[in-house]
Amino acid sequence: GAVVSQHPSRVICKSGTSVKIECRSLDFQATTMFWYRQFPKQSLMLMATSNEGSKATYEQGVEKDKFLINHASLTLSTLTVTSAHPEDSSFYICSAKDGQGAVDYGYTFGSGTRLTVV
Amino acid sequence: AQTVTQSQPEMSVQEAETVTLSCTYDTSESNYYLFWYKQPPSRQMILVIRQEAYKQQNATENRFSVNFQKAAKSFSLKISDSQLGDTAMYFCAFMFFGNEKLTFGTGTRLTIIP
Repeated sequence: GAVVSQHPSRVICKSGTSVKIECRSLDFQATTMFWYRQFPKQSLMLMATSNEGSKATYEQGVEKDKFLINHASLTLSTLTVTSAHPEDSSFYICSAKDGQGAVDYGYTFGSGTRLTVV
Repeated sequence: AQTVTQSQPEMSVQEAETVTLSCTYDTSESNYYLFWYKQPPSRQMILVIRQEAYKQQNATENRFSVNFQKAAKSFSLKISDSQLGDTAMYFCAFMFFGNEKLTFGTGTRLTIIP
């Protein structure tokens, strides 16, 4: 089945630095990828939708200058948390939609990245 | 905007028993999809089952089945013969037909007791 690889699985960074998280579709072309944020014991909140070759669409309240999303190819989307602060510490998850598949089959999720900003 | 509500934050059940997780949603649309996702301790989101709103027949996937009541906007998940590996967070999710965004409920933490 479809596989989405997300790296790194865990990252600790110092406050003020930037962190890049990668999301790769391994065996399919992902025309659309989604980035979620999940706080402890809470649900997934959609941050943004990225489409290959175009600018990401951010959800209301998400700072686009802080959370930079790049979807430069059909198999790779990246989320860069810029000038990270402790409040950015969270679990970030990506998901991808197979360009050939029907949307009603849901999406394939990456395994997530736990970001800790110290 | 649509909302998805899971009224059971936590549940536990003995191994081999049957458990039902509830989910209600609010929408004025008639064409949409509903999903149940499982998030085990590994945090990997796994699709459990899905239902198209235009289908009256309830979806089933092996030990997992749903009770979809469109008029009541209810979408419960039944897990039969529960297994230890079923221990996880379960999220109900909604998607408009033609819209790619998933809206998740708050989740139910299910623990299967040996």
